Amino acid sequence: DIQLTQSPSFLSASVGDRVTITCRASQGISSYLAWYQQKPGKAPKVLIYAASTLQSGVPSRFSGSGSGTEFTLTISSLQPEDFATYYCQQLDSYPLTFGGGTKVEIK
Amino acid sequence: EVQLVESGGGLVKPGGSLRLSCAASGFTFSSYTMNWVRQAPGKGLEWVSSISSSGAYIYYADSVMGRFTISRDNAKNSLYLQMDSLRAEDTAVYYCAGERRDCNSANCYSIFDYWGQGTLVTVSS
Repeated sequence: DIQLTQSPSFLSASVGDRVTITCRASQGISSYLAWYQQKPGKAPKVLIYAASTLQSGVPSRFSGSGSGTEFTLTISSLQPEDFATYYCQQLDSYPLTFGGGTKVEIK
Repeated sequence: EVQLVESGGGLVKPGGSLRLSCAASGFTFSSYTMNWVRQAPGKGLEWVSSISSSGAYIYYADSVMGRFTISRDNAKNSLYLQMDSLRAEDTAVYYCAGERRDCNSANCYSIFDYWGQGTLVTVSS
């Protein structure tokens, strides 16, 4: 099974900050990676797929990069509505797996 | 408007059974691979099972293999998860999720586009 390791698991940041979250895969997954945002009590929402493709309707301050085993999600200027938990997911092979999550909180 | 509405969750004793349903509307259900994803209280996301658009291909997480059965009825725009031999560690919110494919000249990429609101399953004596 492919393991995804996200770091950090928790980060505290201010509005306007640039934030970067990393996701490392235990083996190469090409670009078969997606990023999701989840707010408390809500279902996840896809932000990025194919490692770097912005989902329709998602603000351009979100971007994704990487391929193979190392990926990043960047929020260029953190907004109040971005405080949430973020997950990466590999869709290269079954069983599909998610990273452990990164909780972004207000500093 | 796309809607996925899960139902069937509740409290069940260890060893018991439960059947979850997911009613879809607002998109071409029969064209989508469908998934179940769960989230234990205060924990992260865990993929549970996938079923292809026709139902021909089915996959399970190791943690539920042999105990859970995914199925679909395209005529009723519905997805199901039969859960048997339930354990305390199956306690979670269960989401159904619709998976779209986006293809370019070289590759096709899957996206969990649509999600339901979730249904809570609690396994406890």
